[in-house]
Amino acid sequence: DADVTQTPRNRITKTGKRIMLECSQTKGHDRMYWYRQDPGLGLRLIYYSFDVKDINKGEISDGYSVSRQAQAKFSLSLESAIPNQTALYFCATSGEASGGRTGELFFGEGSRLTVL
Amino acid sequence: LAKTTQPISMDSYEGQEVNITCSHNNIATNDYITWYQQFPSQGPRFIIQGYKTKVTNEVASLFIPADRKSSTLSLPRVSLSDTAVYYCLVVYQGGKLIFGQGTELSVKP
Repeated sequence: DADVTQTPRNRITKTGKRIMLECSQTKGHDRMYWYRQDPGLGLRLIYYSFDVKDINKGEISDGYSVSRQAQAKFSLSLESAIPNQTALYFCATSGEASGGRTGELFFGEGSRLTVL
Repeated sequence: LAKTTQPISMDSYEGQEVNITCSHNNIATNDYITWYQQFPSQGPRFIIQGYKTKVTNEVASLFIPADRKSSTLSLPRVSLSDTAVYYCLVVYQGGKLIFGQGTELSVKP
């Protein structure tokens, strides 16, 4: 089984619909991230969380919200999806390295979202 | 936050050594440099991390000069399966990990 699991893997929805992408991990890591990937733009950080009570905005948080339900679960929501949110979404986790630095990132397999 | 700059794309041939350079002019004292590899429709995968001088593992080497304003990922004797996008990432204590656009490496036979 994968250490970082994302559901759904693929989703097609319509403009204005509410969508939730879920991420769960068995790594025992405290730090979790949501990234968005678009062709030619690399990976852009949406939100990140260092523990259950910690939520932080990334580069492109507008139009998104997150929930850290437990150490192992971090969900990304699009309250009212729009076509330019069509993208590949990745969840990642990491532990804490020396000096409080973020350790190696472990990514899920991605969730491809299409908003019509 | 340290912003990274990499070439958008590179071409190589099987068996050659490939060097991908990343510039990170405003890297801070405690920041580390990390490289990731990504294949199509997969999440990025950690390759190597370093702080200064040279780091080597079973798949790559990372060269970091004394001023640490740049770093070079070296892939020895690449094969077709090394065709991927490579990302340079500066890891700092704050935890807000920002990826650059990445370098698309194409290895030809």
